[in-house]
Amino acid sequence: GAGVSQSPSNKVTEKGKDVELRCDPISGHTALYWYRQSLGQGLEFLIYFQGNSAPDKSGLPSDRFSAERTGGSVSTLTIQRTQQEDSAVYLCASSWEGGAGQPQHFGDGTRLSIL
Amino acid sequence: QKEVEQNSGPLSVPEGAIASLNCTYSDRGSQSFFWYRQYSGKSPELIMSIYSNGDKEDGRFTAQLNKASQYVSLLIRDSQPSDSATYLCAVRVTGANNLFFGTGTRLTVIP
Repeated sequence: GAGVSQSPSNKVTEKGKDVELRCDPISGHTALYWYRQSLGQGLEFLIYFQGNSAPDKSGLPSDRFSAERTGGSVSTLTIQRTQQEDSAVYLCASSWEGGAGQPQHFGDGTRLSIL
Repeated sequence: QKEVEQNSGPLSVPEGAIASLNCTYSDRGSQSFFWYRQYSGKSPELIMSIYSNGDKEDGRFTAQLNKASQYVSLLIRDSQPSDSATYLCAVRVTGANNLFFGTGTRLTVIP
């Protein structure tokens, strides 16, 4: 079946603008994760959704970042008033459920560049 | 102290040799361990998972886990140029929903 789908693949925007990044997980996967990867850095966790439970927002770096997941499937990550340090690749991953043993499968990411 | 540490490399091995990639982690209660391969400009691709002490083999790949010493390693036998990539170690830490990733080891297989 189809893998994790993310859009857009690339986004260039001016500092101060808002951006929305979209993730469509693998069909049937109830757990969804957002990470970001800055140049030369490891993946940094942002937020986790599992079914209808309250999301784990512990990784969001500031209140400019928010995410939602509608209908238990598609998720949108929103960054308001973008800053240059927000430039990174934003990766979405999904797994069958959020258990410790479940491997996470990644989409191709959105490369975000803030001018 | 970082949760997961890897030698950033680069690690260069000749074609046909064994590549050995190592990773240490700080949380003794960590439960699940994963190796991802990431080609330049691409997303991480899961190649191995391991949950209990010992070795786990899958084709040319062997993952090794030693919880007492808090390290996990990945061996790639008969290395091929197509194995040239960055290898990311990821750990599911007790009480956390997410994976903690190392910064990756860059492997180059020389033809």
